[in-house]
Amino acid sequence: QLQLQESGPGLVKPSETLSLTCTVSGGSISSSSYYWGWIRQPPGKGLEWIGSIYYSGSTYYNPSLKSRVTISVDTSKNQFSLKLSSVTAADTAVYYCARQDSSGWFFIWGQGTMVTVSS
Amino acid sequence: EIVLTQSPATLSLSPGERATLSCRASQSVSSYLAWYQQKPGQAPRLLIYDASNRATGIPARFSGSGSGTDFTLTISSLEPEDFAVYYCQQRSNWPPEDTFGQGTKLEIK
Repeated sequence: QLQLQESGPGLVKPSETLSLTCTVSGGSISSSSYYWGWIRQPPGKGLEWIGSIYYSGSTYYNPSLKSRVTISVDTSKNQFSLKLSSVTAADTAVYYCARQDSSGWFFIWGQGTMVTVSS
Repeated sequence: EIVLTQSPATLSLSPGERATLSCRASQSVSSYLAWYQQKPGQAPRLLIYDASNRATGIPARFSGSGSGTDFTLTISSLEPEDFAVYYCQQRSNWPPEDTFGQGTKLEIK
């Protein structure tokens, strides 16, 4: 059974870079036709797609975050990662990783990790 | 950019009642729409994909319908565990971009 687990610092200072990793277990991150995505949810608010990486390595980002986001894959560790630069308090949120099928539906989610941006 | 608008923002119903949630797209998305359920402190769970297909393990009381710009999630008879927030999601073809609606909170009346 495929499982995803987010990890990374729970507190990031303003203007620094937020870095999170999603570890995939129970299956290969190199499986064809899947996307691996990041979604966030500010406290008390709705879901926002951050970006996704295709099994081929192609990346797709939310236009509103594109200038600050990098998503990458480490197949040797069965992980994919998120980097969000120049963070502000508005980036405080629960960050989820998820697997998408070829149509883009988020079938499997991690449990989420809370990241607070504060000095 | 396609915008998804969900209505109502909050829906107050009693167990056993029928719930009808709406999601409207700013332009046609064909049948490329999904619905998720999120309970407090939990990750969202996929309920419906491709507008009307139930995901594995989702009870038959959940159904999705619609195409083009107007979509509906129906819960035929509410169970206590169905009270949660529901989101719709679409993906644009190219470049692939995912958008969520703002959510509908289904609360106990």
